[in-house]
Amino acid sequence: GAVVSQHPSRVICKSGTSVKIECRSLDFQATTMFWYRQFPKQSLMLMATSNEGSKATYEQGVEKDKFLINHASLTLSTLTVTSAHPEDSSFYICSAQSRGSGGPYEQYFGPGTRLTVT
Amino acid sequence: KNEVEQSPQNLTAQEGEFITINCSYSVGISALHWLQQHPGGGIVSLFMLSSGKKKHGRLIATINIQEKHSSLHITASHPRDSAVYICAVEGTRSLNFGKGTSLLVTP
Repeated sequence: GAVVSQHPSRVICKSGTSVKIECRSLDFQATTMFWYRQFPKQSLMLMATSNEGSKATYEQGVEKDKFLINHASLTLSTLTVTSAHPEDSSFYICSAQSRGSGGPYEQYFGPGTRLTVT
Repeated sequence: KNEVEQSPQNLTAQEGEFITINCSYSVGISALHWLQQHPGGGIVSLFMLSSGKKKHGRLIATINIQEKHSSLHITASHPRDSAVYICAVEGTRSLNFGKGTSLLVTP
């Protein structure tokens, strides 16, 4: 099946620094990628929808200036957490969408990135 | 927003047991996904359904569009099936997720 990778898998950073997370679709082109955040024992929450070549669409309550999303190509989207604070510590997951042949879109999830801000 | 309810929240089973996890949703959808999340956090997509039934190995997923309900069955459960199983429904823009069912299969 289709594979989505994320890098890094874990990152620890100091408060005030910025962290970039990459999401790549390895064997298919993804016109749309999604970024989710998951706090411990909580469900995944959509942060933003990223379309190649255009600005990301952010969910209500998600600060676009803090969570910068760039979808530079059909296989790469990046999420940059700027001026990270301890409350940004979370598990960040991306998914990439591809259209099944003649059918609805399939979503493939990355393995996630665990961010810890100290 | 589509409300997605899963039951049970937690489930403990003995190896070999037949397991059923349920998912209901409130608004019509284009597709429903069953996902598996392992303790490390990584997510694997198990099924995407828009009607009927799908089977993959020991896993079976069914959906009843009229009743807005889906079930995930695991036959001959095994400890390696221990994970969180998440139901997600696909609307016009993205997925809405249930809170997940935490499954523990003991030897």
